[in-house]
Amino acid sequence: EAQVTQNPRYLITVTGKKLTVTCSQNMNHEYMSWYRQDPGLGLRQIYYSMNVEVTDKGDVPEGYKVSRKEKRNFPLILESPSPNQTSLYFCASSFGDGSTEAFFGQGTRLTVV
Amino acid sequence: LAKTTQPISMDSYEGQEVNITCSHNNIATNDYITWYQQFPSQGPRFIIQGYKTKVTNEVASLFIPADRKSSTLSLPRVSLSDTAVYYCLVGDRVNAGNMLTFGGGTRLMVKP
Repeated sequence: EAQVTQNPRYLITVTGKKLTVTCSQNMNHEYMSWYRQDPGLGLRQIYYSMNVEVTDKGDVPEGYKVSRKEKRNFPLILESPSPNQTSLYFCASSFGDGSTEAFFGQGTRLTVV
Repeated sequence: LAKTTQPISMDSYEGQEVNITCSHNNIATNDYITWYQQFPSQGPRFIIQGYKTKVTNEVASLFIPADRKSSTLSLPRVSLSDTAVYYCLVGDRVNAGNMLTFGGGTRLMVKP
């Protein structure tokens, strides 16, 4: 089954404790990206990657890191999480042919206390 | 990327056809129009994409007039499970694939 898998689905952590949210896709997509969704602010892009070893900032990259060492994986790293990073996070992937049909993961609800 | 304007919310009843209109006055020649559906606490799901005239798939139809300054997503005979937020996105296919810009969306409530 074609899918984007995020882990964990839920995470509660403390300020300053490094964490990684994993994202994996099985569709051989070139493009992958991370979004956060907050009430009243909608979906905002954090980082995206056009292919292996190619990443770029989205609209709200501060406080986040990403890496794309393999085509299928695109982890989101929070080196020192803060309470303002409490949010619902989505990973997405799509083909590199300019398609606007993106596939989204089920989401990771992160709470930083 | 072209800015889009959609109604904040709409109500409908089961079995009715629902039309959600999106305004995109500054759409560029290379821009495509894409619609997504999102249920609470789930990731958005692609519904349909079009460039001009009419596109239909098993889920919805998309109507785009000749001037392309607006588009209408049509959901035939909605059911309770169609209650969701619907997003209209506009962007060229080269860039939109890696940076989908979501606006506020339209919150559709389907009532029994």
